[in-house]
Amino acid sequence: GENVEQHPSTLSVQEGDSAVIKCTYSDSASNYFPWYKQELGKRPQLIIDIRSNVGEKKDQRIAVTLNKTAKHFSLHITETQPEDSAVYFCAASSGGYQKVTFGTGTKLQVIP
Amino acid sequence: GAVVSQHPSRVICKSGTSVKIECRSLDFQATTMFWYRQFPKQSLMLMATSNEGSKATYEQGVEKDKFLINHASLTLSTLTVTSAHPEDSSFYICSATPAASGGSETQYFGPGTRLLVL
Repeated sequence: GENVEQHPSTLSVQEGDSAVIKCTYSDSASNYFPWYKQELGKRPQLIIDIRSNVGEKKDQRIAVTLNKTAKHFSLHITETQPEDSAVYFCAASSGGYQKVTFGTGTKLQVIP
Repeated sequence: GAVVSQHPSRVICKSGTSVKIECRSLDFQATTMFWYRQFPKQSLMLMATSNEGSKATYEQGVEKDKFLINHASLTLSTLTVTSAHPEDSSFYICSATPAASGGSETQYFGPGTRLLVL
């Protein structure tokens, strides 16, 4: 089955700096890669996703890159704000109604 | 749109009792729903895939007789934790994919149910 690894497990940045979270996956059949933000005690919220036919996608301060050959994908948050502090999960899926496999999570702390 | 609810949000029960958790898609029909368990400071671990009108598919290591799943309609799936024990205490979260999405992968999560077994 799919295995998703995520690094780092914790990340502290100063407000205004950028944050980068990296993930790798094992199943070459995976073609959908969502990123979720989860605040303490709350449900995961989809913040951005990318499909394997695209190498990069951007939405305001958030961008995701995908290297399908290397089975790597990354989340980039620019101009971080304190409200960006949360746990971020990457995930991978082979699409359709297939299950999503989550990474281990990154706790991001943005220091004011 | 694409709202998923769960009930109850919190439950405390005695060891040995059973607890039922409901997951509802409020404004869409969901052929497939997923049940996850999340322990403190850990990731979401998929327990099972719930398919409307058929048996659920359980992940390796998840006891199907302990975690009963029923997906009786396109808007409701239930998870029953039978003979609960303290080690079952966790945050249970469901997610659903709209049936009308044509196979879109986006999953919408419920708010979760925090279970504490005493």
